[in-house]
Amino acid sequence: DTAVSQTPKYLVTQMGNDKSIKCEQNLGHDTMYWYKQDSKKFLKIMFSYNNKELIINETVPNRFSPKSPDKAHLNLHINSLELGDSAVYFCASSPRGREAFFGQGTRLTVV
Amino acid sequence: GQSLEQPSEVTAVEGAIVQINCTYQTSGFYGLSWYQQHDGGAPTFLSYNALDGLEETGRFSSFLSRSDSYGYLLLQELQMKDSASYFCAVLGRDDKIIFGKGTRLHILP
Repeated sequence: DTAVSQTPKYLVTQMGNDKSIKCEQNLGHDTMYWYKQDSKKFLKIMFSYNNKELIINETVPNRFSPKSPDKAHLNLHINSLELGDSAVYFCASSPRGREAFFGQGTRLTVV
Repeated sequence: GQSLEQPSEVTAVEGAIVQINCTYQTSGFYGLSWYQQHDGGAPTFLSYNALDGLEETGRFSSFLSRSDSYGYLLLQELQMKDSASYFCAVLGRDDKIIFGKGTRLHILP
């Protein structure tokens, strides 16, 4: 069983489109995160949720909207995609932050 | 704010020992973690230090000095498969995990 799974693995789309990335964890963790990893490999925190509640929003453009229907799921919806949104997006979960478990990543390419 | 500094690249020889340093500045510090990431893969957890001292897990050890805002990851008996990027990460308030920019470890045969 995959602990943290996110779909899709690859996403190629045109500028201006809207897309979603889904994430699910079966570890029973209360905290989930979204990270963006750019071409220089910098892992930047975007959001964190604790038990479905938004805890951290790191000055991310409001075109990005996370949604947590329950504590096992944290989805990311992106509106009006821009070229600069191209990156690898990682979902992660953690039992209080000392150890994060990452999904496989979604490589988003905006053309 | 929070910031972490670690070398961008380190090169070592197979079978040797290498140390990757990390210094941090943060408000609200709970612990320092280390993660490994192979090209095309996801970060995977290696170790976590909440208290000063050395934690050993097999060939990998991690050290923390809270008074110096400093930690390091020590990799012994290097193997080619250890070629990867290594990230230090600080755990802050609200379970916030902030990552350093990563150290690319190159291993020569």
